[in-house]
Amino acid sequence: AQSVTQPDIHITVSEGASLELRCNYSYGATPYLFWYVQSPGQGLQLLLKYFSGDTLVQGIKGFEAEFKRSQSSFNLRKPSVHWSDAAEYFCAVAATGGTASKLTFGTGTRLQVTL
Amino acid sequence: KAGVTQTPRYLIKTRGQQVTLSCSPISGHRSVSWYQQTPGQGLQFLFEYFSETQRNKGNFPGRFSGRQFSNSRSEMNVSTLELGDSALYLCASSLLGASNEQFFGPGTRLTVL
Repeated sequence: AQSVTQPDIHITVSEGASLELRCNYSYGATPYLFWYVQSPGQGLQLLLKYFSGDTLVQGIKGFEAEFKRSQSSFNLRKPSVHWSDAAEYFCAVAATGGTASKLTFGTGTRLQVTL
Repeated sequence: KAGVTQTPRYLIKTRGQQVTLSCSPISGHRSVSWYQQTPGQGLQFLFEYFSETQRNKGNFPGRFSGRQFSNSRSEMNVSTLELGDSALYLCASSLLGASNEQFFGPGTRLTVL
């Protein structure tokens, strides 16, 4: 069974500073990997996804993530954070395969941005 | 293209009652998944329907059930509500399943008193 660990529950960064949110996964093969963002009272919005190929993936809102197989990691980065990025961020994994239909989420990292 | 819609957005029930939540997927999407989000347990997978068939199920008691109609709309039902069922219930649709991008609705906030 797959699992996801987000070791940081809460992170505070200053506006304009760089950001890195950590994500480690457990899965027997190369999984499908996702980062979602959730604003208070809202659903989840997909930031980016990794299925295969280039290990550095670009997403929306200036986010990127790098898949590192040797470290079982898929960390999310942004070079310069904006106050509007304050939200909760979830890393998720899905099993590969034609009938894969379940996302397993990490516990989330709440990002606070100070002005 | 319209996004995933969920109704109602907010619901208050009392223990022992039952509740039905509805989800309309994005047009053309055949897979609908349901997730429960609570502060204590986080986001947990309930079940997934694809072409009216339950294809995958999470680790929830039988009080939680669902179905999907021929137009891909889905409902989930919770019977004999417990206080611990208070949560945000999220629906997600995709073309084929989690291996494709899943689009989430805004959720239904269920409060059990």
